[in-house]
Amino acid sequence: DVKVTQSSRYLVKRTGEKVFLECVQDMDHENMFWYRQDPGLGLRLIYFSYDVKMKEKGDIPEGYSVSREKKERFSLILESASTNQTSMYLCASSLWDGAYEQYFGPGTRLTVT
Amino acid sequence: QKEVEQNSGPLSVPEGAIASLNCTYSDRVSQSFFWYRQYSGKSPELIMSIYSNGDKEDGRFTAQLNKASQYVSLLIRDSQPSDSATYLCAANFGNEKLTFGTGTRLTIIP
Repeated sequence: DVKVTQSSRYLVKRTGEKVFLECVQDMDHENMFWYRQDPGLGLRLIYFSYDVKMKEKGDIPEGYSVSREKKERFSLILESASTNQTSMYLCASSLWDGAYEQYFGPGTRLTVT
Repeated sequence: QKEVEQNSGPLSVPEGAIASLNCTYSDRVSQSFFWYRQYSGKSPELIMSIYSNGDKEDGRFTAQLNKASQYVSLLIRDSQPSDSATYLCAANFGNEKLTFGTGTRLTIIP
C-alpha cells in the first residue's frame, strides 16, 4: 500500500511566523504535490515537484515555497504566515507512469492566528 | 482552461438504492480519470481509476467512461450510510497533474 505521511495533523501558528509542513512518501514516487483545500473552493494546487530539486508553481504559489532535497520528502514553507493561509493542506504523490494516480496524505489543518 | 465539473449536490439517496454521481470534463485529450471519496475532515481516498471507454466494476462501485460525450460517472450499488461523503472526480489532461472537480456531497438516508 502507498503510504504518504504528513508531519502534523493540526498546527496553530501566529501571524508572521515561518511554517514548515513536511510530507514523506514510501513508494518511490517521482511526483509530489501540495494542495490546499477550502470550503467551496475545492482542491487548489500550490506547488508540485517531478524530481529531486525540481519544482513548478501551481495555481496559487504566492506566499509559499517548497523544497525537495530527497525523492521521498517534499516540504511546504510559509515564509510569513498570514490568517488567509488558514486551511487544510494536503500532500499527494504519484508515479511517472502516464496514469498519474495520486495518493494523499492525511492532511494538516493549519490555523494562523 | 481545462476543467472538470460536478454537481455539488447535496445528493440524497435512500439506503440500499443506487447512487449515481456524474462528472464532465472539457478536453478530449484526457486519458485517465479518477474518483476519490472524502469523508468530512479527512483527506481524499482513491476509490476508482478508469482509462478506457466502458464500465469498470470494483465491488459495489462501477465507474463509467464515455470519451465521445466527455463524461465519467460513478455508480454505488446497495448504498450504505458509510458511503455518505464528498466524491471528487479528477482527470489527467496529458501531464503529471490532475484537475479536480469541486466534489459532490452524497448523503445516504437510513
